[in-house]
Amino acid sequence: DQQVKQNSPSLSVQEGRISILNCDYTNSMFDYFLWYKKYPAEGPTFLISISSIKDKNEDGRFTVFLNKSAKHLSLHIVPSQPGDSAVYFCAASATNFGNEKLTFGTGTRLTIIP
Amino acid sequence: DAGITQSPRHKVTETGTPVTLRCHQTENHRYMYWYRQDPGHGLRLIHYSYGVKDTDKGEVSDGYSVSRSKTEDFLLTLESATSSQTSVYFCAIWSDRLNTEAFFGQGTRLTVV
Repeated sequence: DQQVKQNSPSLSVQEGRISILNCDYTNSMFDYFLWYKKYPAEGPTFLISISSIKDKNEDGRFTVFLNKSAKHLSLHIVPSQPGDSAVYFCAASATNFGNEKLTFGTGTRLTIIP
Repeated sequence: DAGITQSPRHKVTETGTPVTLRCHQTENHRYMYWYRQDPGHGLRLIHYSYGVKDTDKGEVSDGYSVSRSKTEDFLLTLESATSSQTSVYFCAIWSDRLNTEAFFGQGTRLTVV
């Protein structure tokens, strides 16, 4: 039972354009959502998070949007840069600190085309 | 970088042998996790720990055991390695402060032949 779903295994975007990565979840107990970026042969690194009390959170070029009624979140990267090419994982937890499991999606491989 | 290290970074072992992977943290975080990453499956939780001697199973715990005798160390043991356990294993730590994030180690690539 995949509780966090990233339905696009891959995405290619021109450099300078907007990259939009999507994530859907099924567990209504999820209250805190995170995006991680992963380069080959490295561990995932944290990008941005959002609590369920918000519908938007920005950090520089990265913005996460949360639609609780649709159980959907998205990560926008503007403008996209070659260094953004990586696998992006969406993750969800029932709390905003470590006392609950962190459940991940299957990832989306983003390729930025120069 | 968060103070989290995994050892070994790479290991090749034979089917049926026991294997132990180590995760060591210097952050004094209470919560620690072991994940495995496989193509098409993303990161799946194997076991996690709420504190010393306090562990629980994740979604893919069969064939794995863990121990946490000290806050800083979380050990993952494959009792009798199988080829299906060939994977990349990641350890993560998470504090008990609100609105924080989990930090991951660099990973251990395990090959069972």
